[in-house]
Formats: sequence, structure tokens, C-alpha cells
Amino acid sequence: VQLVQSGAEVKKPGESLRISCQASGYKFTTFWITWVRQTSGKGLEWMGNIDPIDSNTDYSPSFQGHVSFSVDKSTTTAYLHLRSLKASDSAIYFCARQESPHPGAVPLDVWGQGTTVTVSS
Amino acid sequence: EIVLTQSPGTLSLSPGERASLSCRASQSISSTYFAWYQQKVGQPPRLLIYGASTRATAVPDRFSASGSGTDFTLTINRLEPEDFAVYYCQQFGSSPETFGQGTKVETK
Repeated sequence: VQLVQSGAEVKKPGESLRISCQASGYKFTTFWITWVRQTSGKGLEWMGNIDPIDSNTDYSPSFQGHVSFSVDKSTTTAYLHLRSLKASDSAIYFCARQESPHPGAVPLDVWGQGTTVTVSS
Repeated sequence: EIVLTQSPGTLSLSPGERASLSCRASQSISSTYFAWYQQKVGQPPRLLIYGASTRATAVPDRFSASGSGTDFTLTINRLEPEDFAVYYCQQFGSSPETFGQGTKVETK
């Protein structure tokens, strides 16, 4: 079971970015994919998640309107889309799988390796 | 949004000692949807405990957790060298899900 993310990116302010997270070793549609941002100043931040079954999404208000999530079930890949990048978007972005909430649900038990994003002019 | 506040910010201990980490929520949450993670430098977080007290796969039994309502505790008995890391709490029962700011367990 693993999640493999795309490689590091260097972008200019105002550009857009797509990060991929390819799942393997389990049935892709049985777990949500959650995206988490990590910066040195703010620790771990929950960005939101997506249900691969129907692409239903839940975004953190802190990221709503600035990011979007999508999935491609045919390649068992989830995507994080970031637009109008700013220097403050420089961070490490992780994907992780999560069971939908229910008693006994397992949260973020498998993580991608992280994708480092640098936004600089 | 539920705010999780971890204390202390840094814990300086020696191998073999016991670590006690606290996480306090701004409002009562169900322990069913509470978790602890460990993160080492250059690695993604690792799930340690969920449902407030269930250890994840391959997590040694020196890690234990307890709590309910607004106060949760992670205990590490007999610290091993590989336990020195940063620990985060998380609630995943209410959107937006939130993490604490982390407690660093460092070698004294």
C-alpha cells in the first residue's frame, strides 16, 4: 500500500500548479484522499479531502477558492490544483488516505512522501 | 473550527524516561475521531494512535493514549532513541479537521 507523489516544483508568483498522488496496493475508491500542507511556521494544516467514488470534496475555509482536488479513477491518481500561487504557498504538500468517518474509522494511515513547492520570482 | 493546543512545545528528556504530551481542544470532541501522529525530519507524519487509544499497525506498546472531551494525553513509556521526534494531535470528526501545533520531544 503506498501513495507516490510527483516531484518538487519551482514556480513563479501567479502561476498554477498540479500535484499528483498515485495510489497502489489497495482499492482506490474505499478511502478518501486528504491533502495536508506543512510549513515551518504553521505545522500541519488540513486542506481538505476528496471521495474518489463521486469526487465529492470538503475544503478547509482557509484554502477554499485557492485550491481544488480531483481524481482519475482509471489511474488511481488524486490531484491537488493550486492557482494564483504566492510566495506564502511555498511549503511541503502531502496526500494521505483516510476512511470516511464512522466509529472505528482509521484516519491518515498511509501518506505520500510529500511534494516541496517553492514559489519565487 | 476546533482549535487543538498542544503542550509543552518542547519536551527535553533522556532515553528510558517517560514522556507525557498534552492536547487540549477548544470544544468537546468525540475520542472516536481523535488521533496522534509522529513525524521525524524529512519524513511524512506516521499514524500512531486513533480512536483516542487504538495503536496503529506496528506501533510499539510503549505508546499509549487516553482522554476524552477536551483533554487528551499521549504517553511514551521508556523513551527509545527513535522516539525523539515531533508529535501532533488531530481531530477528524468535525470539518475542518484540525491538527495541534506539535510537541517536539528532544534529547536532554
